[in-house]
Amino acid sequence: QKEVEQDPGPLSVPEGAIVSLNCTYSNSAFQYFMWYRQYSRKGPELLMYTYSSGNKEDGRFTAQVDKSSKYISLFIRDSQPSDSATYLCAMSSASGGSYIPTFGRGTSLIVHP
Amino acid sequence: DSGVTQTPKHLITATGQRVTLRCSPRSGDLSVYWYQQSLDQGLQFLIQYYNGEERAKGNILERFSAQQFPDLHSELNLSSLELGDSALYFCASSVASTSGSDTQYFGPGTRLTVL
Repeated sequence: QKEVEQDPGPLSVPEGAIVSLNCTYSNSAFQYFMWYRQYSRKGPELLMYTYSSGNKEDGRFTAQVDKSSKYISLFIRDSQPSDSATYLCAMSSASGGSYIPTFGRGTSLIVHP
Repeated sequence: DSGVTQTPKHLITATGQRVTLRCSPRSGDLSVYWYQQSLDQGLQFLIQYYNGEERAKGNILERFSAQQFPDLHSELNLSSLELGDSALYFCASSVASTSGSDTQYFGPGTRLTVL
């Protein structure tokens, strides 16, 4: 079992839909939880990070962390075709003074007009 | 544009060969990370350097090595290449690495194809 599990999709939704992306993990030491967006042929870019449990909102994006269930989610409201990308969850804990993220394999999202 | 540059963009080589990938971090960033991304394994952390010193090591093969130079650019050396080394190689940089909120900025990647 991988430390971080993420359904690769693809997830196809119509424009304007609410999108829910999820990851589960097994390492209870993880403290920081991140979502990256990766467009085709580009490097990942950080969308949001959350420390410990709770919710965080940034515009159309909401990140949720439930440490008791070892489950994190990213919600995208009013999805747009420009949101079409691969979304990677990542999580980290302190190890030898560094925080090295462990990534999920990514979920491919397609938002069609 | 993240501010992280990587060269070359594409590299095609043969099995058994050696290649060098180069990364220049964002101005002011002291940490450099190398990742390998393949379809079956996802994004895998290879190694981190901080201000010229190796800081953390991940799933890096013995055939692979890296270094960070005094001007903070970094190079990833891949030798005795195998077909399975074909992948996207990303470099990322951050200011430091002592906080989980320290954002990593990724470069555009180098696509390596081993024939």
